[in-house]
Amino acid sequence: AQSVTQLGSHVSVSEGALVLLRCNYSSSVPPYLFWYVQYPNQGLQLLLKYTSAATLVKGINGFEAEFKKSETSFHLTKPSAHMSDAAEYFCAVSDSSNTGKLIFGQGTTLQVKP
Amino acid sequence: NAGVTQTPKFQVLKTGQSMTLQCAQDMNHEYMSWYRQDPGMGLRLIHYSVGAGITDQGEVPNGYNVSRSTTEDFPLRLLSAAPSQTSVYFCASRGVGGTDTGELFFGEGSRLTVL
Repeated sequence: AQSVTQLGSHVSVSEGALVLLRCNYSSSVPPYLFWYVQYPNQGLQLLLKYTSAATLVKGINGFEAEFKKSETSFHLTKPSAHMSDAAEYFCAVSDSSNTGKLIFGQGTTLQVKP
Repeated sequence: NAGVTQTPKFQVLKTGQSMTLQCAQDMNHEYMSWYRQDPGMGLRLIHYSVGAGITDQGEVPNGYNVSRSTTEDFPLRLLSAAPSQTSVYFCASRGVGGTDTGELFFGEGSRLTVL
């Protein structure tokens, strides 16, 4: 069975500081991995995805993530935080079959301080 | 382009009442799903469907029914609401096979309170 663990339910950074949100996955098959962002009172929006191409994936709004198979990790980073990055972030894993099921982590709330 | 549309956005029910959350998508996606979001628990899959006439259970299916009579619609039914079903519900869809970009498209959510 696939699973996702996000380390840290709340992360606080200063504006301009590095953002690092951690995600580890468990999968018995080559995974597809995703990061989604949720702004208050909205649905989820895709930030980036890994689907077995390049291991360093660039997404929207300056975010990127690196797939590390040896560490079963897919951490999300951004070099310089903006106030507008404050939101909840979800890591998700899917198998490569056509069922399309996504299993989500518990979410990490990012707070950006001025 | 409407994408995934959920109705209603807000609903208050009394224990034991029934209701249906509606979900429609206009992207001709074969895969549709329902999640519930609760604080500290992320999104948990309730039911999903890989095409018209085909449905299957996710992680937390108890207390919910679904059907998929058309490609566009995937309603979620609560037959006898319980306070434990107070949550925010999200419908999401995705292309399968040749139309699959890997991305799950979400509706804006339906906030349900059961008293």
